[in-house]
Amino acid sequence: KAGVTQTPRYLIKTRGQQVTLSCSPISGHRSVSWYQQTPGQGLQFLFEYFSETQRNKGNFPGRFSGRQFSNSRSEMNVSTLELGDSALYLCASSPGTSPKLQFFGPGTRLTVL
Amino acid sequence: GENVEQHPSTLSVQEGDSAVIKCTYSDSASNYFPWYKQELGKRPQLIIDIRSNVGEKKDQRIAVTLNKTAKHFSLHITETQPEDSAVYFCAASRDNYGQNFVFGPGTRLSVLP
Repeated sequence: KAGVTQTPRYLIKTRGQQVTLSCSPISGHRSVSWYQQTPGQGLQFLFEYFSETQRNKGNFPGRFSGRQFSNSRSEMNVSTLELGDSALYLCASSPGTSPKLQFFGPGTRLTVL
Repeated sequence: GENVEQHPSTLSVQEGDSAVIKCTYSDSASNYFPWYKQELGKRPQLIIDIRSNVGEKKDQRIAVTLNKTAKHFSLHITETQPEDSAVYFCAASRDNYGQNFVFGPGTRLSVLP
């Protein structure tokens, strides 16, 4: 099976802009979770989508949103970008039921100037 | 909510020695505890996990122990090799339908030749 893929791999934006990141899970996996990874805060959970519905949400402001399509592909959107949004954004794919195995994608490195 | 602490933040060992990384969690309802290894510039990779109904699990040179009463779990790597050098993250999650993982801050392991 192909692994989790994320596009784009690198992105440079300026403050105030908005960005959309994409994640394609492993075939057959119905759950996609998004994480923000920064040197200072580590890996922080953003949200999880399962069968096109947001099932869990972390403690991030409303500027961070997501959605999932019927083919389980997921997108994450960040509006009104701030310098502090610079991070590696990782998505993780899972069957969505127990056992709770998660497989990470390569990440999208977002730089906000 | 869940809070996961991880110690030490950095660890250097001689090749062939053992390495131990410890994590504590706060939510007594958490019952799934994975460990991820992240090499420089790469995605986190699941290396071992343990559920609350098991006290210890081994996979070749890697083992994980869990003490539910004390709410801590540990990763043990024996006969360390240079390729074990990476950042290791522990995580905790409730075994409900969600995929909400709370990660520890990570331990940077360096195996010296």
